[in-house]
Formats: sequence, structure tokens, C-alpha cells
Amino acid sequence: QLQLQESGPGLMKPSETLSLTCTASGGSINTSRYYWGWLRQPPGKGLEWIGSINYSGNTYYNPSLKSRVTMAVDMSKNQFSLELNSVTAADTALYHCARLPQGHTNRDVFDIWGQGTMVTVSS
Amino acid sequence: DIQMTQSPSSVSASVGDRVIISCRASQAIYSWVAWYQQKPGKAPQLLIFAASSLQTGVPSRFSGSGSGTDFTLTITSLQPEDFATYYCQQTINFPLTFGGGTKVAIK
Repeated sequence: QLQLQESGPGLMKPSETLSLTCTASGGSINTSRYYWGWLRQPPGKGLEWIGSINYSGNTYYNPSLKSRVTMAVDMSKNQFSLELNSVTAADTALYHCARLPQGHTNRDVFDIWGQGTMVTVSS
Repeated sequence: DIQMTQSPSSVSASVGDRVIISCRASQAIYSWVAWYQQKPGKAPQLLIFAASSLQTGVPSRFSGSGSGTDFTLTITSLQPEDFATYYCQQTINFPLTFGGGTKVAIK
């Protein structure tokens, strides 16, 4: 069974660049069957999709974050990553990575999630 | 962007009750809705996709229905482990968007 695990800095200062990595185990990300995504959830609030990437590097980003977001894949490490630049306190959230199937009926749902990594932006 | 509006935002129920959660899309999305359950401190878990298809391993007391703009998640005979927050998500267009959540609490 595929598992996903996020890693990140925890605490950041405003204007810095957030870098997160999601490591997959129990399966390969090098497949056309799935996209791989990032979401976030501010404390006590709902879910926001940040973006998705596939094995060949095709990306979809949320327009609300697109100017600040870059996603990449590293097949050699079975990882995908998120960079978010110029962070502010509004970027404080629990960040999750997840898998998105590309089947006919379950396309772009999030069927496997990492446990999440908390990122706090504070001066 | 497609807005997803859930109601109610919270509901109090007892074990054994039937609970119905609604989700309305700002435009027609056919049957491209998914539902998730999230417990405190945990990642969301996929329950339903394509409006009414039960994800593997999800108990049959969970069901989904609807098409177009109006969708429902029904929990028949609420169990203690079902007290959680539930989210709908549209999967027809980018950006992928979620409803604001419905918290199911113990009465």
C-alpha cells in the first residue's frame, strides 16, 4: 500500500521560500495512472488545493497561488516537491501531499494522503 | 472558480441517527463530486467519488447522491467513529475546490 510522508521546515519568517518534499513508499510515483498533489489547511479552517504534478512534470496550479508556486518530481528519490515563495502569515497551515487517480470516474479525487506537516510563518 | 457550499456547517446527532449533509455547486458539475471525512489531527479520508461511488473499504452506511448542482452525503445509523468533519469537493474543473465542511458532533 502506497504511503506518503511530507517533510518541511516547520517555522519560517515572512518573505522566505517554503520548500516541502513528499516521499512515497510502497509504490512508485513514476506512473501515468496518477497525478501527485499538494493541499493545505489553515488551523481550524477548510481545505485548499495548491497544485498537482504528474510523472512527466505536467503541472496544474491554483490560480490564487500560481505566481508563487513551483512543483517538481524527482523519480530517483520517488519524491515530489513544492516551493512557495514570499510567504506571509496567511500561508500558515498544515500542508498535505496526496495522490490523484486519473481513472475515468475517480479522476482528481485525493485517495491517499500524507499525515501533513505544519508550517508556521512568523517574524 | 466553482464554489462549493455545504449545509449545515454543523449538526448534532446521536448514535443510530441518520445524518444528511448537503453540498451545492455554483454551476452544474454533472456527477463530479467527492466526499471526505476528517477526524481531528488526521488527514481527510476519501469516502465517495463520482457522487455515489463508494471508495473501497468505506462502510456501506455512507452513501452519496445527486447530480447537476445539488448533492447529498447520507450516513445511516451513525456510529461513534463517524463523529468528524465532512467535506465535498468538485473534480470537474481546475482549480479543484472544496466545501467549507460540516462538523458532525455528538448530541
